[in-house]
Amino acid sequence: QVQLVQSGPEVKKPGASVKVSCKTSGYTFISYGISWVRQAPGQGLEWVGWISGYNGKTHYAQKFQGSVTLTTDTSTSTAYMEMTSLRSDDTAVYYCARDEVYSTGWFDHWGQGTLVTVSS
Amino acid sequence: QSVLTQPPSVSAAPGQNVTISCSGSYSNIGNNYVSWYQQLPGTAPRLLISDTNKRPSGIPDRFSASKSDTSATLAITGLQTGDEADYYCETTDNNLSVLFGGGTKLTVL
Repeated sequence: QVQLVQSGPEVKKPGASVKVSCKTSGYTFISYGISWVRQAPGQGLEWVGWISGYNGKTHYAQKFQGSVTLTTDTSTSTAYMEMTSLRSDDTAVYYCARDEVYSTGWFDHWGQGTLVTVSS
Repeated sequence: QSVLTQPPSVSAAPGQNVTISCSGSYSNIGNNYVSWYQQLPGTAPRLLISDTNKRPSGIPDRFSASKSDTSATLAITGLQTGDEADYYCETTDNNLSVLFGGGTKLTVL
């Protein structure tokens, strides 16, 4: 069965960076993309960006251009999200979700979420 | 503030039917698919409807959706207590950036 398993919770200080992993299994990694979505405490869903599992092409929400980098490792079917210059309002649960391979689409399988807490 | 507008909350009794609206514009809903997600408390979202009106396998036919011009609607029939959750609509804009609605909290009275 399709699974996306994310790395564990992180606590970071303002200005630091964080890298979250999303290890996938149960499907052909290069036939799909991965989107990242975050949810601040008590808030709604916010799309961060997308990466193609096939060719590594990326598309970021304008808000995260320059502060987020999405990458993949096809040898381990793993996607990564790195966020730099963290601020307190980046505190959120970050989800990876399976997406379309050539462009953004809908998200049919989700990781369990990774809580990133930014606090001094 | 979300570009896609959903009612913050809806409520109905078990067995009744409910609809959740999602209002956008021609630059998003009007020219693209709409998807719907259910998020039970403390869990990751789950895809309910893809490509405007398609149910993934395992989603009961009590859930259906439609789109008209720049708005979309999720309908749930025969409400159950287990349907109590947050519901989100999703689409893309003309730059293929993903947009989510603000979410609707469904309370089953």
